[in-house]
Amino acid sequence: GAGVSQSPSNKVTEKGKDVELRCDPISGHTALYWYRQSLGQGLEFLIYFQGNSAPDKSGLPSDRFSAERTGGSVSTLTIQRTQQEDSAVYLCASSGFTPAGTTEAFFGQGTRLTVV
Amino acid sequence: RKEVEQDPGPFNVPEGATVAFNCTYSNSASQSFFWYRQDCRKEPKLLMSVYSSGNEDGRFTAQLNRASQYISLLIRDSKLSDSATYLCVVNIISGGYNKLIFGAGTRLAVHP
Repeated sequence: GAGVSQSPSNKVTEKGKDVELRCDPISGHTALYWYRQSLGQGLEFLIYFQGNSAPDKSGLPSDRFSAERTGGSVSTLTIQRTQQEDSAVYLCASSGFTPAGTTEAFFGQGTRLTVV
Repeated sequence: RKEVEQDPGPFNVPEGATVAFNCTYSNSASQSFFWYRQDCRKEPKLLMSVYSSGNEDGRFTAQLNRASQYISLLIRDSKLSDSATYLCVVNIISGGYNKLIFGAGTRLAVHP
């Protein structure tokens, strides 16, 4: 597709279960970001992938959160033993680079996670 | 100090008003600057890039002040449809990473 694709769009899970959220970035974009956003709040940075470099995991809130990016393309964010405070919209974005600098980031429509 | 800082607002303005938002950034090596718009329950979308010489797109004007490390967004003749959260975005080069940092956003509410 032409844009960033995230799946599922909605996920309801029971407290204590593991969930996997998927992001398909724009083809050719080397940078991929995961954010989460609670209702009425700003974007909370989670993790950043850039090419083959080690990811910047500085935003992950706990060791229950992890992410992978396979083959420099698709990324999966995994939340283990979900808690109610994990309920939020999880947004993925991708961007590219040019000699002039970082290009704009394009966002997927997000995955709305509800932990009950 | 936060890497990218914005006044959270809200800015409540009448239709037709001119409103300006500022955003400061901490990394003097930053090269890329953007303004994004986020509507309620939607993903952020690019409003406009910000160029060194300043740029205009219809009612929107963006400016960059490298010396003082801030960018601004001016909206003229505000419309009801301009009501949204405006996010300032700057690339930060730190710890071996070159990545985009999003500000927390400034809320704008335009009323009749």
